[in-house]
Formats: sequence, structure tokens, C-alpha cells
Amino acid sequence: RKEVEQDPGPFNVPEGATVAFNCTYSNSASQSFFWYRQDCRKEPKLLMSVYSSGNEDGRFTAQLNRASQYISLLIRDSKLSDSATYLCVVNRGSTLGRLYFGRGTQLTVWP
Amino acid sequence: NAGVTQTPKFQVLKTGQSMTLQCAQDMNHEYMSWYRQDPGMGLRLIHYSVGAGITDQGEVPNGYNVSRSTTEDFPLRLLSAAPSQTSVYFCASSDYGTANTGELFFGEGSRLTVL
Repeated sequence: RKEVEQDPGPFNVPEGATVAFNCTYSNSASQSFFWYRQDCRKEPKLLMSVYSSGNEDGRFTAQLNRASQYISLLIRDSKLSDSATYLCVVNRGSTLGRLYFGRGTQLTVWP
Repeated sequence: NAGVTQTPKFQVLKTGQSMTLQCAQDMNHEYMSWYRQDPGMGLRLIHYSVGAGITDQGEVPNGYNVSRSTTEDFPLRLLSAAPSQTSVYFCASSDYGTANTGELFFGEGSRLTVL
């Protein structure tokens, strides 16, 4: 079983829409969780961390459900510039910097 | 603002050839790592280093060697290239403070094709 599972999409939504992505992780000992963004043919960049109590950063909201071992990302009022692949990332904490990446969910926002 | 610099950006090899992908960072980061990204798969860790002189294997180390003689540089060597090594390779770095908070700084990637 993969460490991190994501629906690859693609998700195609109009500008202004709300879209949500989920991912699941297999190791219950995982300690920290993140969403990265990767533009086409570019390097991944950290979008936001995911905290147990849930957290927001502008139009982005991240949630963590440890009991069900899933993480979500909600994007409100989608912009054209949100078009990218969103990577779900998990850190077990056992090895410094050792991150496990999901395959990513592709989002296209159309005008 | 160089950050993490990878060279070359593109490379075509023939099966059996060897080559080195270069990675340099100017942020004085202790932690450096190499990932590969293949279509339909997440980034997979090849090798990593927590400081000069210290390296360890990641998830998919076979066919690759690394060394870390300085804080700045972390080259990845392909010993005898195989078509299965066709991929996009990313070098990433972080300091101890951010490595466990999940923020890795990635280079722009090196696209390798093995014929």
C-alpha cells in the first residue's frame, strides 16, 4: 500500500468555484502533514502545513482527520492562477526531512 | 537569490553511460536530498544527507551514488544508466529547523532521458 494516496483528477472547475481535494496516508505514526503546489514542469513548493485543529491561509483551508488518516485541502473562490498540481505530503518524523509525497491532484481553473 | 541550483537541466544518455547531476545550495542548509518524479507517481527519495560527510539511502537508491564533501554540494551519480532511470530529478535542501516542518527548497529539476 502506498504511503500517501491521492485522487489524480483532473479537476476542472470554473473561476469562482470551490474545490476540495482529499488524500489518505497509511502510517498512523505520521506526525506532520503538508500541501505542496507544483506548476507544470516546475519544482514543488510548500503551500501550507496542515494542523490538527485545521488551518486557513486566505482562500485555502486545510484539515486533518487523524482517526481516519486523511487530509483535505479546500480552495474557495478559485482563480486561474490556482491551476496546478497539488501534492499531499506526510512526514513520519522518524528521519529528519524524510517526506512522503502523494502523486498529486491536477487542478485546472477555467475562465 | 540562487537558492538550489541543479545542472544540467536536460540530459540524454545512452544505456550504460555514467553521469553526474550537480546540486548546489547557497543557504547553508544542513539537509540535502535527491528525489525522482515519474509520471503517475509521487516524488520518491533516492538519497539524502544531514551534513557534510553523512549520507544515507532513501526509498529508491539502487543505481545511484552520492557524496557530501561540502555543505553546499550534493552530486548524484548514475553509475550505468538504464532506461528505467528516465525521470525528472529534483534536488532539495533545508535546515534542521524547517526539515521537520516540511519545508524543502527544491531546485528546478533535471530532466534525464536514457535511450
